[in-house]
Amino acid sequence: ETGVTQSPTHLIKTRGQQVTLRCSSQSGHNTVSWYQQALGQGPQFIFQYYREEENGRGNFPPRFSGLQFPNYSSELNVNALELDDSALYLCASSSRLDSPDEQYFGPGTRLTVT
Amino acid sequence: GENVEQHPSTLSVQEGDSAVIKCTYSDSASNYFPWYKQELGKGPQLIIDIRSNVGEKKDQRIAVTLNKTAKHFSLHITETQPEDSAVYFCAANYNQGGKLIFGQGTELSVKP
Repeated sequence: ETGVTQSPTHLIKTRGQQVTLRCSSQSGHNTVSWYQQALGQGPQFIFQYYREEENGRGNFPPRFSGLQFPNYSSELNVNALELDDSALYLCASSSRLDSPDEQYFGPGTRLTVT
Repeated sequence: GENVEQHPSTLSVQEGDSAVIKCTYSDSASNYFPWYKQELGKGPQLIIDIRSNVGEKKDQRIAVTLNKTAKHFSLHITETQPEDSAVYFCAANYNQGGKLIFGQGTELSVKP
């Protein structure tokens, strides 16, 4: 078990609504990355946060946004939800100084959009 | 470009046999290659990783090999056990940064 926690575990939303997912990083880690994992697929990089700023973004539209707080926890916000946003959303933490790419994942939030 | 191809998509072995999963990456700048195990309903668990300055790394029953010239890397699991059954993902970092590009996954089934 990693020390990365995510909430909520499951979420059901209606198309057009907005959602906020939360992540607490592992102790000693200051970098948080978010991934989207569709059923039967590998995780896809959404973006990464370091020192409260976005530090790299994947091919996701602007309605996917995030925040990082001074305690290194993070939020993922998705506006105007679409049916295709249904997926497992994973948060991963890493230490920017030691190994920014050595990432430890949380259990994920399962989002269903109806 | 950024792409990681993983094969096979499914793999079934008898308990005690070996299992090999292979990946190919496209970004010449990639220098970090982790492997993750994902069990049903859980997040991916980092099981082993290798950096580009090393050709092989072992940790008990698992080993990873890297061929930088061919842009191939492989996961080897020996003496497989039923608890090894899971989906395994390879990944490569993109442009030596913190973005990981994942393969499509291999569903490993170890039959007792």
